[in-house]
Amino acid sequence: TQLLEQSPQFLSIQEGENLTVYCNSSSVFSSLQWYRQEPGEGPVLLVTVVTGGEVKKLKRLTFQFGDARKDSSLHITAAQPGDTGLYLCAGEPGGTSYGKLTFGQGTILTVHP
Amino acid sequence: DSGVTQTPKHLITATGQRVTLRCSPRSGDLSVYWYQQSLDQGLQFLIQYYNGEERAKGNILERFSAQQFPDLHSELNLSSLELGDSALYFCASSVAGTGLKTQYFGPGTRLLVL
Repeated sequence: TQLLEQSPQFLSIQEGENLTVYCNSSSVFSSLQWYRQEPGEGPVLLVTVVTGGEVKKLKRLTFQFGDARKDSSLHITAAQPGDTGLYLCAGEPGGTSYGKLTFGQGTILTVHP
Repeated sequence: DSGVTQTPKHLITATGQRVTLRCSPRSGDLSVYWYQQSLDQGLQFLIQYYNGEERAKGNILERFSAQQFPDLHSELNLSSLELGDSALYFCASSVAGTGLKTQYFGPGTRLLVL
């Protein structure tokens, strides 16, 4: 069974600060996805990284896939209260297992004005 | 709005009972996925259907079953319910074909077993 360890579990910061969320595994994934989930809603895909070493930017969010495709990070620059939410990483094993996403436990981010 | 609809939004029932959760995928999507989200287990993949047939299975209990109908909507049946089955149940859908496809999640059904 492939596992994804996500850290930290909770993050409470002030507006304007930077933060990084980590997602680590001992298994190789064909792709790594990051989702954001708000209360009462389903997860919404932010980004998918598929190539080892890949870096993707989405405004103030920077996503990186590890060279060995076992880990990923999400960095937020100058966090804003609107960034508050649950951030989830999910790995896709690929091969015949496309669609069988393995999710990390999530990081609850709170950005205080 | 992801385009995926789930009903009911909330469900309260008793232990030992059986419930059915319903999901309508986005227009044109052939794949449907079911997930369970609980505080202790996080978000876990249960099962995937593609065009009416089971495609992949995850950590789905034997008391749980699912199916996808010809009109592509899907139902997740939970029977002999236990307190530990209380959770959020999400359905997601994606376009047809193999390989990496974006999954679009519905708003979920919150199940409370008393």
